[in-house]
Amino acid sequence: EAQVTQNPRYLITVTGKKLTVTCSQNMNHEYMSWYRQDPGLGLRQIYYSMNVEVTDKGDVPEGYKVSRKEKRNFPLILESPSPNQTSLYFCASKQGTNEKLFFGSGTQLSVL
Amino acid sequence: AQSVTQPDIHITVSEGASLELRCNYSYGATPYLFWYVQSPGQGLQLLLKYFSGDTLVQGIKGFEAEFKRSQSSFNLRKPSVHWSDAAEYFCAVGANAGNNRKLIWGLGTSLAVNP
Repeated sequence: EAQVTQNPRYLITVTGKKLTVTCSQNMNHEYMSWYRQDPGLGLRQIYYSMNVEVTDKGDVPEGYKVSRKEKRNFPLILESPSPNQTSLYFCASKQGTNEKLFFGSGTQLSVL
Repeated sequence: AQSVTQPDIHITVSEGASLELRCNYSYGATPYLFWYVQSPGQGLQLLLKYFSGDTLVQGIKGFEAEFKRSQSSFNLRKPSVHWSDAAEYFCAVGANAGNNRKLIWGLGTSLAVNP
C-alpha cells in the first residue's frame, strides 16, 4: 500500500532535549516536505527536499533541521526544542510535477 | 501576494443537505487549485484538483468543484452530505517559488454534520 509513515504519532518532551521525527515513503517519490499545522495559522511548510541530498527552507525553518540521505526517508530534527514548537507536524511526498501530495498521519508534539 | 481565503471557518449542515465550501485565491498566473480533506486524527487527502480544461472538476467521495476565473473562486460542492463527511477542508493553490512547486494553503473550513 502506498503510504507515508511518520513516527511517533504523539511525543511529549521538555525544552532543549533533542528529538527526531521520522518520515518514510514507499512510493519512490522525489519530493518530500515537512509542514506544521497550528490553529488559526493553517499549514506552513518547514523544509522540503527535491531529491536525495537536496533540501531547502520553507516558510518557517527556524529551529528545525532535515536530512535526505536516502530517497525514502526525510527525518525532521529539533536540536533544542522550545514550547513554541508545540504543534501538529505532517510529512508529505509527491512525484515530480504531479501535484498530488501524500500525507502522513501526523505527529502531535508537545514541548514542555 | 499569493493567497488563499476560505471565508467560512466553521459550517454545520444536516445529513442529506447540499454543501458548498467557499475558496477565493489571489494568484497572478493561471492557478493550479486543490481541495484536500483532513479527517479527525488523519493526514490530508486530495479530494480534487484543477489544472486546466473543464472548469467543473469531479473528485472522490462525490465532491465537485468549479473554477471561476472571473471571481477568483474554486468552491467545493456536494449535493448530499453524509455524516462521514465531517472533517476539515483545505483549499490550496499551487505556486512557483524558485525551484519549489509549493502549495499556498487556506486556513481551512471545519464541517460538522448533524444527523
